[in-house]
Amino acid sequence: TQLLEQSPQFLSIQEGENLTVYCNSSSVFSSLQWYRQEPGEGPVLLVTVVTGGEVKKLKRLTFQFGDARKDSSLHITAAQPGDTGLYLCAGERAAGNKLTFGGGTRVLVKP
Amino acid sequence: NAGVTQTPKFRVLKTGQSMTLLCAQDMNHEYMYWYRQDPGMGLRLIHYSVGEGTTAKGEVPDGYNVSRLKKQNFLLGLESAAPSQTSVYFCASSYSGYQETQYFGPGTRLLVL
Repeated sequence: TQLLEQSPQFLSIQEGENLTVYCNSSSVFSSLQWYRQEPGEGPVLLVTVVTGGEVKKLKRLTFQFGDARKDSSLHITAAQPGDTGLYLCAGERAAGNKLTFGGGTRVLVKP
Repeated sequence: NAGVTQTPKFRVLKTGQSMTLLCAQDMNHEYMYWYRQDPGMGLRLIHYSVGEGTTAKGEVPDGYNVSRLKKQNFLLGLESAAPSQTSVYFCASSYSGYQETQYFGPGTRLLVL
């Protein structure tokens, strides 16, 4: 059982549709990061959220950290083919920057 | 800046063979990490280092050893490869701990037959 559960595991949508990816845990995290990974490459950081209830926006992407700091969501508005990739959430529980990663959500946006 | 580089990009080993994966970063980062990525399991931390000359175990350290003799390099060794070590290995680095961005290399794909 993974400490961080992501859902869904796979999402296929048409260009212009909205999507939401969830990252849930029974543990409290001091911060949570979202990464995007494209085939053949390493993950790249999208955002870090640190305060319970925090909402951050990055163009069409909206990230939310749960009030209890146990869960997070990523919402993409009007998805584009360039949003295709593997989205990973990663939680940090203590100082030292050891991240625990979720299993990932593979997103496919069809033109 | 090259960022984080990894060599080799791809390797095939037979069971029982040994090999070393090299990670190099040119960002003067203190922290370095080795992860493995398997389908549906995200990234799992193998070993990490918080500075030159230090190493520590992560979530899945068995069957691997590491060394950090120079600040810019972090080596991952497999002494006797097993098919269960077939995976994609990623190295990452960060400036320090706590809420810092981790910068990842492009990965090494390892197949153990």
